[in-house]
Amino acid sequence: QSVLTQPPSASGTPGQRVTISCSGSSSNIGSDYVYWYQHLPGSAPKLLIYSNNQRPSGVPDRFSGSKSGTSASLAISGLRSEDEAEYYCAAWDDSLSGVLFGGGTKLTVL
Amino acid sequence: QVQLVQSGVEVRKPGASVKVSCKASGYNFITSGISWVRQAPGQGLEWMGWIGLYNGHTDYAQKFQERVTMTTDTSTSTIYMELRSLRSDDTAVYYCASVKAGALSWFDPWGQGTLVTVSS
Repeated sequence: QSVLTQPPSASGTPGQRVTISCSGSSSNIGSDYVYWYQHLPGSAPKLLIYSNNQRPSGVPDRFSGSKSGTSASLAISGLRSEDEAEYYCAAWDDSLSGVLFGGGTKLTVL
Repeated sequence: QVQLVQSGVEVRKPGASVKVSCKASGYNFITSGISWVRQAPGQGLEWMGWIGLYNGHTDYAQKFQERVTMTTDTSTSTIYMELRSLRSDDTAVYYCASVKAGALSWFDPWGQGTLVTVSS
């Protein structure tokens, strides 16, 4: 099935490490790179991780990505209040011949 | 540095069409095209399709195949997304995003978004 599954919510306290998972299939994550986007309320989404685990210039090294088989994860260490946002994974899907986004994970910093 | 500036808020009645523009500046060979992504109220991001900047090639998501057309005006570096036969569930913020060559899921940067409201 061509979907990317993320937990709807995640939370942590300042300084903690949190991870957000993204589960897919052989037609998407299993055969292409995974990208992660941060979406703050009222702003445009921002590229956070590209090609599974690479950070664009300007993205703090507190953010890291990984991929194994048909699943991927985004890890945020040293959690800060400004990290409170919605996070989306994305990947090309060969079956759909299109880009799939995960459903999004709302991160709350307690 | 690529910059994308989108047109303003639109309000349409069901059954009408809307055409959203995205003016690009500062792009080079790294930018291969522009994708359109939308976010309905309370929903996640949804990819609608993309258009190649240099050859006008388009790929549309199956869901929008029959109702969407993406075009470019190279003289003004403006990309357009037209959505027809609008329904209330097309109410959303529509974003354009720069696509990196060879990486159709690489969206960076994004336009500021255009709110389209469909209501009778």
